[in-house]
Amino acid sequence: DAGVIQSPRHEVTEMGQEVTLRCKPISGHDYLFWYRQTMMRGLELLIYFNNNVPIDDSGMPEDRFSAKMPNASFSTLKIQPSEPRDSAVYFCASSMTETGELFFGEGSRLTVL
Amino acid sequence: AQSVSQHNHHVILSEAASLELGCNYSYGGTVNLFWYVQYPGQHLQLLLKYFSGDPLVKGIKGFEAEFIKSKFSFNLRKPSVQWSDTAEYFCAVNAGILTGGGNKLTFGTGTQLKVEL
Repeated sequence: DAGVIQSPRHEVTEMGQEVTLRCKPISGHDYLFWYRQTMMRGLELLIYFNNNVPIDDSGMPEDRFSAKMPNASFSTLKIQPSEPRDSAVYFCASSMTETGELFFGEGSRLTVL
Repeated sequence: AQSVSQHNHHVILSEAASLELGCNYSYGGTVNLFWYVQYPGQHLQLLLKYFSGDPLVKGIKGFEAEFIKSKFSFNLRKPSVQWSDTAEYFCAVNAGILTGGGNKLTFGTGTQLKVEL
């Protein structure tokens, strides 16, 4: 299995620009999670989906953040407009109900100038 | 509120020293417990997990953890650390059975381990 695939791996953008991060979960996994990791705040859960339906988005910091999962094999996290404080590594993870173990992608390192 | 506490934020050890990282959680009842490791510049990877059965769980790379229900603890241990164990270690709990949160994992704040030669 290819594992959780995220793109882009690195993104550098200017403040005010739209950023779209992408994730392909492991086939057969019914949960998908978006996390953000920074030195100051550690690992934060932003939102998660079960069977493509958003279950808990209470971790999404502001309305500038949105996430979608149009089908079982694809999810996006969008930031519009981006701000320097959004700079972080964004991880996508997926899991199966039966095991509960999260498998993480390699992460997308976002730098907003 | 649900929480996972990792008592040590930074640990520095010499090679061959023994390691124990503390983890406590605040849920009652049945939980699933995990330790993840994040090597510098990489993503989180599973070290070991506990769902049920023998409370002493063995994971990869010589790590083990013991679930002590009465203490709400799941401490990570390794008898002899190596320089390559330098990484950040995260404890996590799945209490979905209690909270209806499904597979949602609550992570601790992490412990940064540095092993010196």
